[in-house]
Amino acid sequence: QSVLTQPPSASGTPGQRVTISCSGSSSNIGSNIVNWYQQLPGTAPKLLIYSDSQRPSGVPARFSGSKSGTSASLAISGLQSEDEADYFCAAWDDSLNGCMFGGGTKLTVL
Amino acid sequence: QVQLVESGGGVVQPGGSLRLSCAASGFTFSNYDIHWVRQAPGKGLEWVAIIWFDGGNKYYGDSVKGRFILSRDNSKNTLYLQMNSLRVEDTALYYCARTLTTGPSPYDGFDIWGQGTMVTVSS
Repeated sequence: QSVLTQPPSASGTPGQRVTISCSGSSSNIGSNIVNWYQQLPGTAPKLLIYSDSQRPSGVPARFSGSKSGTSASLAISGLQSEDEADYFCAAWDDSLNGCMFGGGTKLTVL
Repeated sequence: QVQLVESGGGVVQPGGSLRLSCAASGFTFSNYDIHWVRQAPGKGLEWVAIIWFDGGNKYYGDSVKGRFILSRDNSKNTLYLQMNSLRVEDTALYYCARTLTTGPSPYDGFDIWGQGTMVTVSS
């Protein structure tokens, strides 16, 4: 069972807006930055959002991140078929002295 | 280009040992913290360990603490993960990953990932 909780699946149709939640606690999301990763089938994860809401260069503006208290969210607007992937949130945990990942959310584009 | 390349994976019996390597190129390796992250077949990501840019601090996940040992040789731009007392549940694809900014920055996102090296623990 992961320290950070994500829904196992999410779905949407092309053009729709989808959000993926990530719930933690005061020792991780509540006190440290949240990062999001996208993992396409058969590939290494890719940094999608860092420092709660920042996008690395090359990541489309359709992807956005936010955080409030001990929860964070990833939003994808204008959903495209190539967005079908697994998405993971992550944050450092001060109590465990380690990086914690969410269990991952499999996004399906219908 | 900026890259990390893992090697050393293979098949090992329970209780055995294996040493993974992570070779860096295209950036100043000695300035960055490096993490190991693993992914069991069909499962999610699990953080394994971090070593600070200067090797001064190391932290391990509970599932590997006391069995895995991280080290780095900044003169060779290489990181090592010594894996001892291996268990069936250690079977996974092991990635090394660089933090986004220069160290120490354990909280940062991981912007560069290797392609992974597969470790299979089986009798």
